[in-house]
Amino acid sequence: AQTVTQSQPEMSVQEAETVTLSCTYDTSESDYYLFWYKQPPSRQMILVIRQEAYKQQNATENRFSVNFQKAAKSFSLKISDSQLGDAAMYFCAYRSAERETSGSRLTFGEGTQLTVNP
Amino acid sequence: DSGVTQTPKHLITATGQRVTLRCSPRSGDLSVYWYQQSLDQGLQFLIQYYNGEERAKGNILERFSAQQFPDLHSELNLSSLELGDSALYFCASSVRGWGETQYFGPGTRLLVL
Repeated sequence: AQTVTQSQPEMSVQEAETVTLSCTYDTSESDYYLFWYKQPPSRQMILVIRQEAYKQQNATENRFSVNFQKAAKSFSLKISDSQLGDAAMYFCAYRSAERETSGSRLTFGEGTQLTVNP
Repeated sequence: DSGVTQTPKHLITATGQRVTLRCSPRSGDLSVYWYQQSLDQGLQFLIQYYNGEERAKGNILERFSAQQFPDLHSELNLSSLELGDSALYFCASSVRGWGETQYFGPGTRLLVL
């Protein structure tokens, strides 16, 4: 079974600065997807960014980018120019790409609570 | 707004009772997933339906059941409720059933007293 680990329960960053959230995962599969979801105080789960394991290029979405290290099974999220609205719980998630397995589920890490200080 | 709707937003009930949570997926999405978020268990996958058929099962209790209807909306039924069932229940949907991104609804917050 796949596992996802976020070793930083809490992080803080100054507004306009850059912060990196860590995520590691364990899998024996070669093809999979990785995601970062954001959960603000409203509790809504919002997709931040997605990475396909077969792609070597790191995904970017505006101020959000990832550092995907497949061999190390590491998937960190970098938030640049942090804004007050970035304050939220961030979850790293894994999903198998194998069509016929029960891997269609998302496996989540424990989450990292990000505080943005003005 | 993800396009996934869930009702009700909040539910307060007593132990031993039964409740039904409802989810409408994004237009065009065939797959629906249910997740439970609790303080002690984190975010856990419960069950997936694809075009009306059960596709995958996770850590879903026998007291819980779900179905997906011909119009693709889904219901999660929770019975013989216990205090520990208090949680935020999310529904998510995706176009098919594998690989692509899941979009989450706003969740139903269940409190069992």
